[in-house]
Amino acid sequence: GNSVTQMEGPVTLSEEAFLTINCTYTATGYPSLFWYVQYPGEGLQLLLKATKADDKGSNKGFEATYRKETTSFHLEKGSVQVSDSAVYFCALSEAPFSGGGADGLTFGKGTHLIIQP
Amino acid sequence: DSGVTQTPKHLITATGQRVTLRCSPRSGDLSVYWYQQSLDQGLQFLIQYYNGEERAKGNILERFSAQQFPDLHSELNLSSLELGDSALYFCASSVAGQFYNEQFFGPGTRLTVL
Repeated sequence: GNSVTQMEGPVTLSEEAFLTINCTYTATGYPSLFWYVQYPGEGLQLLLKATKADDKGSNKGFEATYRKETTSFHLEKGSVQVSDSAVYFCALSEAPFSGGGADGLTFGKGTHLIIQP
Repeated sequence: DSGVTQTPKHLITATGQRVTLRCSPRSGDLSVYWYQQSLDQGLQFLIQYYNGEERAKGNILERFSAQQFPDLHSELNLSSLELGDSALYFCASSVAGQFYNEQFFGPGTRLTVL
């Protein structure tokens, strides 16, 4: 079956530090890949996505590149802020276009990121 | 605000009881998904409905069931509750026909089973 592995943390960084959160996946097909973020007390928000190999998703200074050869989708940000403190989830979806929605997402365990001023 | 609403926000009940969680998807979204988030299992996909019909099943227990109504809102029914069912339950919705399956999540219902 499908699975997603990511570092669980907590990861503690100082403001303006460089961030990398590793994510690797196992899938039987050709998945789409996502990073979601969960702020305290809130639901998940889509941060970025990539649907095919070598695609780079980016949003709010965060980037991740779909690497099929290494089955990875690592999240990076050049300079983190205190407001980036949250839990980050890597996820995949393997459903092909069906014209009627798709199967559920497979999530990693989540990485708790703490940014100190 | 994702546009997905869930009620109630919190629910406290006893073992053996039955509860119903409600979700209203974003306007125009035909697919609804239910997820369970717990400390030991993480985020797990439970079930998906599309336009009133069950589309996909994940790790959903037989004690749990769901349905989607003609107005597209969905309900997740949990019965014979056990302590281990205590978790955060999320609903998400997506636009039909989207290849990359972007899902929008509600704020969740926190269920506590005592």
